Amino acid sequence: AQKITQTQPGMFVQEKEAVTLDCTYDTSDPSYGLFWYKQPSSGEMIFLIYQGSYDQQNATEGRYSLNFQKARKSANLVISASQLGDSAMYFCAMREGAYTGNQFYFGTGTSLTVIP
Amino acid sequence: EAQVTQNPRYLITVTGKKLTVTCSQNMNHEYMSWYRQDPGLGLRQIYYSMNVEVTDKGDVPEGYKVSRKEKRNFPLILESPSPNQTSLYFCASSPQKVAGVNEQFFGPGTRLTVL
Repeated sequence: AQKITQTQPGMFVQEKEAVTLDCTYDTSDPSYGLFWYKQPSSGEMIFLIYQGSYDQQNATEGRYSLNFQKARKSANLVISASQLGDSAMYFCAMREGAYTGNQFYFGTGTSLTVIP
Repeated sequence: EAQVTQNPRYLITVTGKKLTVTCSQNMNHEYMSWYRQDPGLGLRQIYYSMNVEVTDKGDVPEGYKVSRKEKRNFPLILESPSPNQTSLYFCASSPQKVAGVNEQFFGPGTRLTVL
């Protein structure tokens, strides 16, 4: 089974609108961390937001928020007020804890295009 | 400046010619990792290390070697590269702890072409 699943290969959003990028994960480790990264066309990996498995509240960082639904094993990224500079590839990732080996897993990514 | 450096950034080589991609971090991180990125597959972990002299296989270790003799360095070695190892490679480091924000810091990437 895939550890991280991103089911949207490509998404379009109008500038200034909000967009949700989906991510589901699979782990048996009680301790894990969930991450979202942005990869613009220049290629670097930019950290956006983190959610720990024991965190009670959803993480927020500026225009980014993580909709964490633990029972559903989903960790969707919400980008509010989209900007043209948000056009990029977005990756969901998970780090498992010591119980299962401390590995990192990435999804296949979602390509987001912001339309003026 | 906190950073992860990789060298070289671009490399074209031929099948079977041993090569090493270096990775160094200046943040005193325990955890270091190598990934390859291929279109449609996302990033896949090749090897990771939780501390000096401790390395573990990720999802795609075949054809690669690593070593962790010093905390700051984590070189990736391809003993006999093959064309299917043509890819974009990232090195990353992070603190050891799982709890708390422990983002990985990524290097700029190494684009490797094996002819």
